[in-house]
Amino acid sequence: GENVEQHPSTLSVQEGDSAVIKCTYSDSASNYFPWYKQELGKRPQLIIDIRSNVGEKKDQRIAVTLNKTAKHFSLHITETQPEDSAVYFCARRKDSSYKLIFGSGTRLLVRP
Amino acid sequence: EAQVTQNPRYLITVTGKKLTVTCSQNMNHEYMSWYRQDPGLGLRQIYYSMNVEVTDKGDVPEGYKVSRKEKRNFPLILESPSPNQTSLYFCASSIGTANTEAFFGQGTRLTVV
Repeated sequence: GENVEQHPSTLSVQEGDSAVIKCTYSDSASNYFPWYKQELGKRPQLIIDIRSNVGEKKDQRIAVTLNKTAKHFSLHITETQPEDSAVYFCARRKDSSYKLIFGSGTRLLVRP
Repeated sequence: EAQVTQNPRYLITVTGKKLTVTCSQNMNHEYMSWYRQDPGLGLRQIYYSMNVEVTDKGDVPEGYKVSRKEKRNFPLILESPSPNQTSLYFCASSIGTANTEAFFGQGTRLTVV
């Protein structure tokens, strides 16, 4: 189907620990996988994205991995800080469409 | 400053009273879309537009209308709002090619009583 399954729905970690959020999809034509962060009361903003010809991408403390065979991609946040607390959305898009299909979101809480 | 602007930010209305939420972008983007955000359901697409005068239904279009008379504006129209349309609405725009960032507006929190 079209949906993107996102897990977990909530995640609580201690400051300094790592956080991992996973998304799975079924449409093999998907080729673009962005992650958005939404702070409380704010708009979603792109934090990192990956294209289907790449297996991993890093940007400082955040990284995204993509397993095209298994059809899943994950967001990894290392050395978490309280300001990482937010809702994170994964999404996917396929070549033939500009439509972004979002996961249901993960509420991340980083405890000081 | 490149931005997507929605108005109003907050709106409380009564069932059946027509309303319009405006969306404007200053980045000359071809692609614009509307989403609603509900707890546990993520962002669901209502309508989208590939360019001026080109619009199409998203996943949850019932009860909504849109128009794209100019490239920069993409208003969302609720002809007869109902309580199940109480939600947080986001407009977004992106360049008309795949694999590019979607820029979101600030959101409109709508309550229909």
